[in-house]
This record gives sequence, C-alpha cells and structure tokens, in this order.
Amino acid sequence: RKEVEQDPGPFNVPEGATVAFNCTYSNSASQSFFWYRQDCRKEPKLLMSVYSSGNEDGRFTAQLNRASQYISLLIRDSKLSDSATYLCVASTSGTYKYIFGTGTRLKVLA
Amino acid sequence: SAVISQKPSRDICQRGTSLTIQCQVDSQVTMMFWYRQQPGQSLTLIATANQGSEATYESGFVIDKFPISRPNLTFSTLTVSNMSPEDSSIYLCSVNSGSSSYEQYFGPGTRLTVT
Repeated sequence: RKEVEQDPGPFNVPEGATVAFNCTYSNSASQSFFWYRQDCRKEPKLLMSVYSSGNEDGRFTAQLNRASQYISLLIRDSKLSDSATYLCVASTSGTYKYIFGTGTRLKVLA
Repeated sequence: SAVISQKPSRDICQRGTSLTIQCQVDSQVTMMFWYRQQPGQSLTLIATANQGSEATYESGFVIDKFPISRPNLTFSTLTVSNMSPEDSSIYLCSVNSGSSSYEQYFGPGTRLTVT
C-alpha cells in the first residue's frame, strides 16, 4: 500500500462546477500536509498548506481529517485554468521529508 | 518565495556517461532537496543536500550513483552517474526557507533522456 494515495482521475468537469479530491495517508506520524498543483511539463507549485482547522483560499478549501487519515481539496466555480494535476503531500513530524501522492488529474471543460 | 533556477533545463545523454545538474537559489536557504519524477509518475525524494556535510539519501538511492554537493546556502549539484535509460526522468531541486513552516518550493526541473 502506498503511503499517500490519490485517485488518479481524470476528473472531467464543466466550467463552474465544484469538484473535490481526497487523499489518504497511511503514516499516522504525518503532521504536515500540502496540496501542490502541477501543470504539464512544469514543476509543482504550492497551492495550499493544510491546517488542522481547515483552510480556505478563494475558491479553494482544504480540510484535514486525522481520525480517518485523509485530506481533501475542494475547488468551487472551476475555471478552465484549473486544469492540472493536483498532488497531495504528507510530511512526517519534525522532518522536511515529503511523500507525494501520485496526483489527481483535473480537466475543466468549456 | 525563493527564485530557483536549474541548469541544464534538458539534456540527451548516452548511456554510461554522467551528467551534473545545478540548482541555484536567489537567497540563502537552510534545506535543499533533490527529487526524481519518472515519466507519468509522481515525485520521489532522492536526498536532502546538507550544507557542509554529506547528503542524506533515501532508501533506494546511493551516493555512488547520485553524488550531491552543497558548497554553500544558495547552490547544490546532483550528478547522475553511469547513466542508463532507466535514469530518464525529470530531476527537480526544492528548497525550504528554514522558517517554521515545512513548505517547499521547486525549481523548474531538468529533463534528462538517456539513450
């Protein structure tokens, strides 16, 4: 079983739709979580850090459920420019070591 | 966030040769990391580049194959040695500014093809 798992998708959604991705992690010592966005042939770019209380940045909301060991990313009012691969990352407490999920592909359709 | 550059951006190399990839940051950073992203896959951490000491390698990666240098707080190199076609990947460096957060920022990557 992979340490960080994501549904690879692709998720094809119309513009304006709301879409949610889940990511599960197996290491209960994981303490820091992140969502990155990766466009084709580009480097990952930090989208959001995920805090225990959940956090929101514009159309994006991230939540953490420690009991069930998953994090989620909600995108509201999808734009064509949101089309990308979304990478979930877990990091163990006290380390900077990132464990990446395999990524979820999103395609927003006109 | 820091501005990170990598050289070369891409290369095509013959098997058995070595390639050194450079990572330059526009400010001093505490932590630098090297990752590999194989075709169609996610990122895997190769090693943490420690300034003034040997790099810390992850399971499955060894110094003889991926020697790393970190001469100062703004620069690091990764060498891919004795290359085979299986080494064809994108190699990315990342940095953490050393603040209390664990956020990492990535360079643009080096796309390596081994023939």
